[in-house]
Order: sequence, then C-alpha cells, then structure tokens
Amino acid sequence: QVQLVESGGGVVQPGRSLRVSCAASGFTFSTYPMHWVRQAPGKGLEWVALISYDGSTKYYADAVKGRFTISRDNSKNTLYLQMNSLRAEDTALYYCARWGSSGYHDHWGQGTLVTVSS
Amino acid sequence: DIQLTQSPSFLSASVGDRVTITCRASQGISSYLAWYQQKPGKAPKLLIYAASTLQSGVPSRFSGSGSGTEFTLTISSLQPEDFATYYCQQVNSFPHLTFGGGTKVEIK
Repeated sequence: QVQLVESGGGVVQPGRSLRVSCAASGFTFSTYPMHWVRQAPGKGLEWVALISYDGSTKYYADAVKGRFTISRDNSKNTLYLQMNSLRAEDTALYYCARWGSSGYHDHWGQGTLVTVSS
Repeated sequence: DIQLTQSPSFLSASVGDRVTITCRASQGISSYLAWYQQKPGKAPKLLIYAASTLQSGVPSRFSGSGSGTEFTLTISSLQPEDFATYYCQQVNSFPHLTFGGGTKVEIK
C-alpha cells in the first residue's frame, strides 16, 4: 500500500536552516508529482511547493519562494524540502502529499513538525 | 489568489443527521474542487474530487455538488466516525492551490 513517511522536523532558531524528508513506498514514486503542504498549530492547510515527477519543474507559494527548495531523489524514493532563513511563521506540521492521477492529493504522510523559535 | 470561504466554520450535529457544508470561491473555478476530511492528529484524507466524484473507498453517504463559485459537501446520515474537520481545496489555479478555512463537525 502507499506509504509516505516524513522525517527531519525539530526545533530551529529563526534565520537557520532545516531539511525535511519524505520516504515513499508502495507505488512507483518516479511517476508522480509530489507536494509539500503545511499546517500551523490549530490552523488550516497551506500549500507550500510542488515538484514534477522527474524534478524538472518546481513551483512555490509566495510565502516561501526564495527561501525553500523542493527536490527529489527518484533512486531513493525520497522527497525533500530544504528550508532556509526560517521564520516563526514557518512553524507548522509539514506533510508530503502525492498528486494522484485524479489531479488531487490522494495520499498524505503523517507529517513532521517544524518549530521555529529562539 | 483564489479565496475559498467555508460555512459554517463549526457545526454541532447528532448521529443520523444530514449535514451540509458550503464552500464559496472568490472567482469561478469550474469543477476543480476537492473535499478532505481530517481527524485530530491525523493527515487529511481525500473524500471527493472534481466537485462530485467519490474517491475510492469513501462511503456513499458522502456526496459533493456544485460548480463555478458555490459547492457543497453533504453527509446523508452522520456516523460517529465522521466527526472531524472538513476542508475544501481548489486546483483551478494550479499550481497555486488554496484550501478553505475548514469546518469542524462536532457531536451535539
């Protein structure tokens, strides 16, 4: 079955960097676009970034453009989000999500919590 | 950016009730809308896509309708496992996706 497992979250000071990962299994990872979606504590969902199946195309929300970089390693079935110049407002649970053939997020991981605090 | 406004933001209902949640878009999005269910401490789960298509494995008591700027999610007979927060999402402005603010369904 499809599994997405995020890791790498933690507490980081404002202005510092952090990389979170998402290990995929149970499907042919290299054929699916992938997204990151975040959720601040007690708040709603916010789309963060998208990468095409082969990594050639990437898009970002305005709130993270220029600071975050999405990437993937299809040989390792792993999705990444490199987060630089972190701010308090980046504090959230970060989910990876598969972009299914239906054109929507059909599978989600359990999330990894990133807390930006001094 | 396309804004999605859900109403109500909170509703209290009993098992067996018929429940309707509305999602309004700030501009027309055709049928490019999905509904997700999120239970506490869990990831969102896709329920309905393309406004009215039931995702595989989702009970038939869930249904979606609408197009353009107004959409509804209906639960025909609320079950104990349906108490959760529901989000709409538009993909018309792909890749810049947006979600509604959520509707929390609680037990009366």
